[in-house]
Amino acid sequence: GDSVTQMEGPVTLSEEAFLTINCTYTATGYPSLFWYVQYPGEGLQLLLKATKADDKGSNKGFEATYRKETTSFHLEKGSVQVSDSAVYFCALRTGGGNKLTFGTGTQLKVEL
Amino acid sequence: ETGVTQTPRHLVMGMTNKKSLKCEQHLGHNAMYWYKQSAKKPLELMFVYNFKEQTENNSVPSRFSPECPNSSHLFLHLHTLQPEDSALYLCASSPPTEANYGYTFGSGTRLTVV
Repeated sequence: GDSVTQMEGPVTLSEEAFLTINCTYTATGYPSLFWYVQYPGEGLQLLLKATKADDKGSNKGFEATYRKETTSFHLEKGSVQVSDSAVYFCALRTGGGNKLTFGTGTQLKVEL
Repeated sequence: ETGVTQTPRHLVMGMTNKKSLKCEQHLGHNAMYWYKQSAKKPLELMFVYNFKEQTENNSVPSRFSPECPNSSHLFLHLHTLQPEDSALYLCASSPPTEANYGYTFGSGTRLTVV
C-alpha cells in the first residue's frame, strides 16, 4: 500500500537558517504530493503541492520538488522565521480513491 | 478561514455525557472525513463519506457515531467516551477521487473527556 516517511523531529533551527525536511514515499499508482502545515492549536493547512514528476510546489518561501527517480518530496526554505514554528506533514494521494496518506509529521522549532 | 468550519472549538465532557461535533463546508466538495489527532501519535482516519454515504470506517469504537445528512454537513456524535478519547478531532473535505486535490481541513475541536 501507499506510505509516506518523514524525518523524525523536532527540528530546532535558529532564525534565518536553511531548512530541509525530508519526505520519501511509496505508492502503487502515480501520486500527487502535498505538504501541510499545522500551527499550534489549529487544523492542517495546505502549504504546497506537486502533481507530476519534476514539478516544484512553492508557497510562502517554502519549496518542494517532486522527484520520481528518488521517490522524494523534500521541503526546503532558505531562511526560516520564528513564525514558521509548526508541525509539517508530507502526504500523497493517488487517483481513483479518496485516501490522502500522511506521514507522521515533523515538528519545527525556530529560535531567535 | 479555510472554508471548513468546525464547532465547537473546545469541548469538555464527562464520560456519561452525550455531545456532538459539527462540521460544515460550502466548497462544493462531495467527500468528507473525520480524523483523530492525539499527542505523539500519527493522524488517524476515522470515517470517510462520499456523496453522503459512508465508505470507510477504520475500526472506530461504536461510542463514536458519524452522521452525514448532506454533502455539506458532517456530525460526530459522542457518547460514553473514555479519557483516552481526549484528542483534537479534525474534519476535512475534498472533491472525491481527484488526486490533484488535497483535503481542506477545519480548525478542529479540542475534546477533553473527564
